Amino acid sequence: AQSVSQHNHHVILSEAASLELGCNYSYGGTVNLFWYVQYPGQHLQLLLKYFSGDPLVKGIKGFEAEFIKSKFSFNLRKPSVQWSDTAEYFCAVNRISGGYNKLIFGAGTRLAVHP
Amino acid sequence: DVKVTQSSRYLVKRTGEKVFLECVQDMDHENMFWYRQDPGLGLRLIYFSYDVKMKEKGDIPEGYSVSREKKERFSLILESASTNQTSMYLCASRSGTLRNTGELFFGEGSRLTVL
Repeated sequence: AQSVSQHNHHVILSEAASLELGCNYSYGGTVNLFWYVQYPGQHLQLLLKYFSGDPLVKGIKGFEAEFIKSKFSFNLRKPSVQWSDTAEYFCAVNRISGGYNKLIFGAGTRLAVHP
Repeated sequence: DVKVTQSSRYLVKRTGEKVFLECVQDMDHENMFWYRQDPGLGLRLIYFSYDVKMKEKGDIPEGYSVSREKKERFSLILESASTNQTSMYLCASRSGTLRNTGELFFGEGSRLTVL
């Protein structure tokens, strides 16, 4: 079973629209959560991360994400998207398995922003 | 600047061939990872290594092996390539012990096609 679920596989928005990408995970206990982004033709890079403390975390390029423990969710948001935000977005969760720390990714969401 | 270099961006191989994918990082990171990225499935962990000559199976190790003879280099080996191994392969590295929850740094990927 998929341990990290991203609800939308494809999202199409116009510039200036607001964005929210859903992410849910199925692990109990302490988790570390990440959003990575892959721009066309580029390598994956970290957008933001949550380890502890304030559940609302801010990342690069105006992105933010909110950790809601009771809902096992870590949704990504941006108030106003730009054409340059066109990319694929991956939610990821750290999992301790067999004493090792492994990062498990969701299936990804392709975002297309039209001018 | 952080750098993870994958030696081949594009490869085309025939079924049954032995394939080597090379990855080098220049950050003196202890941990290195191989993922494969497929549409709709996200990134799936094949193997990882937390130290020289050490390796651990990820979630989908079947049909693959790895080698880590030097700290900076982590190789993925397909002993006998099959068409279902056609995919994008991503190498990543991370600093610290295996319980480190820090950022993964990715290479640009190697797109393998098996005919």
